Amino acid sequence: DQQVKQNSPSLSVQEGRISILNCDYTNSMFDYFLWYKKYPAEGPTFLISISSIKDKNEDGRFTVFLNKSAKHLSLHIVPSQPGDSAVYFCAASALYQGGSEKLVFGKGTKLTVNP
Amino acid sequence: KAGVTQTPRYLIKTRGQQVTLSCSPISGHRSVSWYQQTPGQGLQFLFEYFSETQRNKGNFPGRFSGRQFSNSRSEMNVSTLELGDSALYLCASSPGTGGSGYTFGSGTRLTVV
Repeated sequence: DQQVKQNSPSLSVQEGRISILNCDYTNSMFDYFLWYKKYPAEGPTFLISISSIKDKNEDGRFTVFLNKSAKHLSLHIVPSQPGDSAVYFCAASALYQGGSEKLVFGKGTKLTVNP
Repeated sequence: KAGVTQTPRYLIKTRGQQVTLSCSPISGHRSVSWYQQTPGQGLQFLFEYFSETQRNKGNFPGRFSGRQFSNSRSEMNVSTLELGDSALYLCASSPGTGGSGYTFGSGTRLTVV
């Protein structure tokens, strides 16, 4: 059962335009949502997160939107730059008894920004 | 401050052998989590250690185990290696107090032949 889904394996956009990456989840217990950027053979790099009590969080060119009723979140990158080309992972976090957390990841979307 | 350090970066082992991977978290972080990344399954949670105790565990067989030392450094062990264990193993550290302040290491690429 895949609790976090990224339905688009790849996305291609032109430099300067907006990139929109989407993510759906099924577990209502998730309380944090995160986006990570990953290059091959490297660990994921944290980009931006949003608490389940908010619907938007912005950090520079990156904005994450959360729609709890639809169990959907999206990452907007404006303007897109060639250096943004990477695999983007959506992740959700649930807090367990004792303070433990674990991240549940989607399978990633490969973003290519063309010059 | 120094990031999360994983050693070794690359490893080749034979089926049936065992392997130990190491992770040094960010100074002051008490939680270390391990993830397995494969092309087919993506990133999957293995287990989390906090203050030398396993706090959470994913759905992996008992061949996968770990431990955490008093300085928060963690090791992960895989016994009786199978070809399907070939993957990138990632370690993430966090303060362990919630809020998902995870920082990942660069990973250990394990190849089982």
